Amino acid sequence: QSVLTQPPSASGIPGQRVTISCSGSSSNLGINYAYWYRQLPGTAPKLLIYRNDQRPSGVPERFSGSKSGTSASLAISGLRSEDEANYYCATWDDSLSGYVIFGGGTKLTVL
Amino acid sequence: QVQLVQSGAEVKEPGASVKVSCKASGYTYTGYYIHWVRQAPGQGLQWMGWVNPNGGGTNYAQKFQGRVTMTRDTSITTAYMELNRLKSDDTAMYFCARSRSGSSVDSWGQGTLVTVSS
Repeated sequence: QSVLTQPPSASGIPGQRVTISCSGSSSNLGINYAYWYRQLPGTAPKLLIYRNDQRPSGVPERFSGSKSGTSASLAISGLRSEDEANYYCATWDDSLSGYVIFGGGTKLTVL
Repeated sequence: QVQLVQSGAEVKEPGASVKVSCKASGYTYTGYYIHWVRQAPGQGLQWMGWVNPNGGGTNYAQKFQGRVTMTRDTSITTAYMELNRLKSDDTAMYFCARSRSGSSVDSWGQGTLVTVSS
């Protein structure tokens, strides 16, 4: 099983808008929804975006998602210091009887 | 609300087996797959496999085939992940998570730390 491709790191200053990309293939992101998670050290990942652009209740509007073709993006506007975390994209892959495929993760630093 | 509660930390010697449990509540248990995902120290998320509580079907990542077994007990809405022939590089946090078929996961357990050391 392969992984989705994310940049290993991203950074921004408070108040800025940052985006994190996620690249897949025709058997995963090309035909299935993108999901995004945030993970703080020592804790379980938390769902940020589901079905490409939907926010669970409690997730601020500052977080938005989009998908086009075999790629997806997470945008964070009005960056805050507490946004510093690891961000992972994921989706379902229809090959090999179906499985969840994750990106390698992006460490976001707020400067 | 949806809850996935995992069993406590384990310390095992190389060559031993470990069995981690994941108790689900707050939703229709048979409507969602249970996945197991591990995270080695300082590393990313690695999918290990899923068990379908509706029937018990499984699918394992190639890396773990022959060494992992995922089961469930619908009477107590609990899933299990057993990993055999443990090696030092199996030291990791192990998470259970749920998803609909064809979707990624939407809820996670708190994680179980498995340490493999002699």
